[in-house]
Amino acid sequence: ETGVTQTPRHLVMGMTNKKSLKCEQHLGHNAMYWYKQSAKKPLELMFVYNFKEQTENNSVPSRFSPECPNSSHLFLHLHTLQPEDSALYLCASSPQGTDDTQYFGPGTRLTVL
Amino acid sequence: GENVEQHPSTLSVQEGDSAVIKCTYSDSASNYFPWYKQELGKRPQLIIDIRSNVGEKKDQRIAVTLNKTAKHFSLHITETQPEDSAVYFCAASKSGGGADGLTFGKGTHLIIQP
Repeated sequence: ETGVTQTPRHLVMGMTNKKSLKCEQHLGHNAMYWYKQSAKKPLELMFVYNFKEQTENNSVPSRFSPECPNSSHLFLHLHTLQPEDSALYLCASSPQGTDDTQYFGPGTRLTVL
Repeated sequence: GENVEQHPSTLSVQEGDSAVIKCTYSDSASNYFPWYKQELGKRPQLIIDIRSNVGEKKDQRIAVTLNKTAKHFSLHITETQPEDSAVYFCAASKSGGGADGLTFGKGTHLIIQP
């Protein structure tokens, strides 16, 4: 359960705040992902990074800004969020190659006031 | 883009009975179909997956079937137990050895009645 970690686990922020979510994987994987999980909706893919390069941006508003400084770390920078952005933000990683299994972190529960 | 539909949204079965959850997908290029189990307050965890070159895969009480022609796949859980209670998500992606994001269904809340 410690393969993919996320901090903080809970975050409450105002609409004018700037905050960052952090994800770290200790599995030696090359691909990392951000997903958003809202109540009553499916998990939504936000961003994909492959060998530190962003390969997919799923039409996410610019108030969400990802950063991947190396294959083990992934950040999601947040600013001027809206209340409807309140959700569970899940990070995942995968080995790439022949194994596509994605391993999820525990998530950050974000509340925007 | 890919669209994944999942049914039912809630499924209640008696302990010991079987449960079946069904998903359909829209993109015929999708070739990787994992199933995740998410218990309350926990992360999604992979329970079984199948690729498009296989029609069925089994792991103890869990099995997944895939019909490429009809573009649907199903999760079968036999001899259900209380610990099977959770939300189950199906997903699809165009796996090619690269990094492909998953498109998820809306989830099925499985309730095992004692």
